[in-house]
Amino acid sequence: DQQVKQNSPSLSVQEGRISILNCDYTNSMFDYFLWYKKYPAEGPTFLISISSIKDKNEDGRFTVFLNKSAKHLSLHIVPSQPGDSAVYFCAAAYNYQLIWGAGTKLIIKP
Amino acid sequence: SQTIHQWPATLVQPVGSPLSLECTVEGTSNPNLYWYRQAAGRGLQLLFYSVGIGQISSEVPQNLSASRPQDRQFILSSKKLLLSDSGFYLCAWSGVSGSSYNEQFFGPGTRLTVL
Repeated sequence: DQQVKQNSPSLSVQEGRISILNCDYTNSMFDYFLWYKKYPAEGPTFLISISSIKDKNEDGRFTVFLNKSAKHLSLHIVPSQPGDSAVYFCAAAYNYQLIWGAGTKLIIKP
Repeated sequence: SQTIHQWPATLVQPVGSPLSLECTVEGTSNPNLYWYRQAAGRGLQLLFYSVGIGQISSEVPQNLSASRPQDRQFILSSKKLLLSDSGFYLCAWSGVSGSSYNEQFFGPGTRLTVL
């Protein structure tokens, strides 16, 4: 049973526009969430995180929103740039572990 | 600053051969260590994690094993590789307290192809 779900396997966005990546979770015990970015043949790199005591965290072009009642979080990238093309993973931290979504491949079109 | 090393970067092995992948971390003490596998076109699957020397937890039954002989060394092994062991293997570490507790930091990965 997937506890963290990223229902969109891929997303295509025009350069300069906003990219919105979504993630849903089922376990209400999760209280810390992270987004990672991954290029092919490389390890994932940490992007941004959010604690459940907040509903928004912003870092430059990246903003993560958390809706606890809906058990939903989203990552907004604005403006989108060609270098943002990658696979984005959502993860929930729980007991030394990260529970990962399947990832969304973001393609930024010129 | 902390760094994590994995080797080799790529490996091609015949079915039935043994495997040893090594991961080392520098710049931190007593990290939590993790082995993941990413199969082609799929997400990250946690294979093993370790909270200390000699302490290994396995997440899925499989043909692989892990060991942690030193504080900052994590080894992934197999006695006999299967075709299904092919994939991209990632080692990661996390801190045990403070802001680094929840974040995991990944190595560059090893691409394993079993033929």
